[in-house]
Amino acid sequence: AQKITQTQPGMFVQEKEAVTLDCTYDTSDPSYGLFWYKQPSSGEMIFLIYQGSYDQQNATEGRYSLNFQKARKSANLVISASQLGDSAMYFCAMRVTGGGNKLTFGTGTQLKVEL
Amino acid sequence: KAGVTQTPRYLIKTRGQQVTLSCSPISGHRSVSWYQQTPGQGLQFLFEYFSETQRNKGNFPGRFSGRQFSNSRSEMNVSTLELGDSALYLCASSFHRENTGELFFGEGSRLTVL
Repeated sequence: AQKITQTQPGMFVQEKEAVTLDCTYDTSDPSYGLFWYKQPSSGEMIFLIYQGSYDQQNATEGRYSLNFQKARKSANLVISASQLGDSAMYFCAMRVTGGGNKLTFGTGTQLKVEL
Repeated sequence: KAGVTQTPRYLIKTRGQQVTLSCSPISGHRSVSWYQQTPGQGLQFLFEYFSETQRNKGNFPGRFSGRQFSNSRSEMNVSTLELGDSALYLCASSFHRENTGELFFGEGSRLTVL
């Protein structure tokens, strides 16, 4: 079975600063993918970034980067230059090869960006 | 191109009724998966459909069912509604079933059971 742990229920960051949201995972499968999604209060899950377990480089998408440390089983999301619009719930999720598009989600981190 | 579309966005039902939710995937996507989100249980996988066949199922009772049509649109049905079925139901679509980061969600259908 897979497990995703997000230990930060809530985080505060000042506008224009960088913030790191933690995610650790547990799986015995050698092949897997890790996702980060943003969920504003409207409810939509917005895809941010994806990292495959065999990807050699850390994924980056604009202001988002994923700090992938395979040996430590961590996949932290780094948001650079935070904006007020980044305030939302952030979920880390995992999918294992052979599991199709079944994602296992963490409990999420509520991020609040302040002026 | 249009994103994942879920209808209805909001609905209110009473215990014992049934409900059908619809999901239209991104054009060309063949996989549709469904998730239930509640404050207590978080996000939980319901089922996945690919090419009109259920490929994967989560740990939910038989009251929860779904199907996929030839145009990849999917519906999920919940029969004999219970108060605990109140949740945000999200669907996600993808062209492939795995080995890709392409998995996009809709805005969800928020169900309230009274």
